Amino acid sequence: QLQLQESGPGLVKPSETLSLTCTVSGGSISSSSYYWGWIRQPPGKGLEWIGNIYYSGSTNYNPSLKSRVTISVDTSKNQFSLRLRFVTAADTAVYYCARVGIAARRMANWFDPWGQGTLVTVSS
Amino acid sequence: QSALTQPRSVSGSPGQSVTISCTGTSSDVGDYNYVSWYQQHPVKAPKLMIYDVTKRPSGVPDRFSGSKSGNTASLTISGLQAEDEADYYCCSYAGSYTLVFGGGTKLTVL
Repeated sequence: QLQLQESGPGLVKPSETLSLTCTVSGGSISSSSYYWGWIRQPPGKGLEWIGNIYYSGSTNYNPSLKSRVTISVDTSKNQFSLRLRFVTAADTAVYYCARVGIAARRMANWFDPWGQGTLVTVSS
Repeated sequence: QSALTQPRSVSGSPGQSVTISCTGTSSDVGDYNYVSWYQQHPVKAPKLMIYDVTKRPSGVPDRFSGSKSGNTASLTISGLQAEDEADYYCCSYAGSYTLVFGGGTKLTVL
């Protein structure tokens, strides 16, 4: 059974860089059938897609975050990572990683399963 | 890329049916049959309930169904049960390899 687990600091200072890693177990991140994605949820608010990565390293990002986000993959460790630069209090959220389904013409179409999520607070 | 529009809340009594709408544009919901729905209980990760507008993953009860008309997708839950009380989010492919979520709907089982 595929499982995903987020890890990283729970507290980041304003203007610094948020870094999280998602470890995939029970399956290979090098599968050609899926992307791997990051989604976040500010406290009491809705879900926001951050971006996806393919095992080859190709990425797609939310246009509203694209200038600050980098997603990378390490197939040798079965992990993928998120870096979000120049964070502010508005970046405080629970960050989830998830497997992403691929439909026709490489379009992404669903998230399943999800990691349990990790709360990252931006505060000095 | 704007969030899809969902009602903030819906409610129903046990055994009844409820429908949650998800309105987008001709650039997302209206242009692609890649709408998915997620159930989220408090302090839990979201769970995939419907994908590709109408398909149910293995293990999801057939009380959950999805549909789409024009720029609006819908999730219908029939035979409402207490454990269906949760937040529900829609998500659509939005072109250029991007995805967009709805704002979420809180379902209350009366």
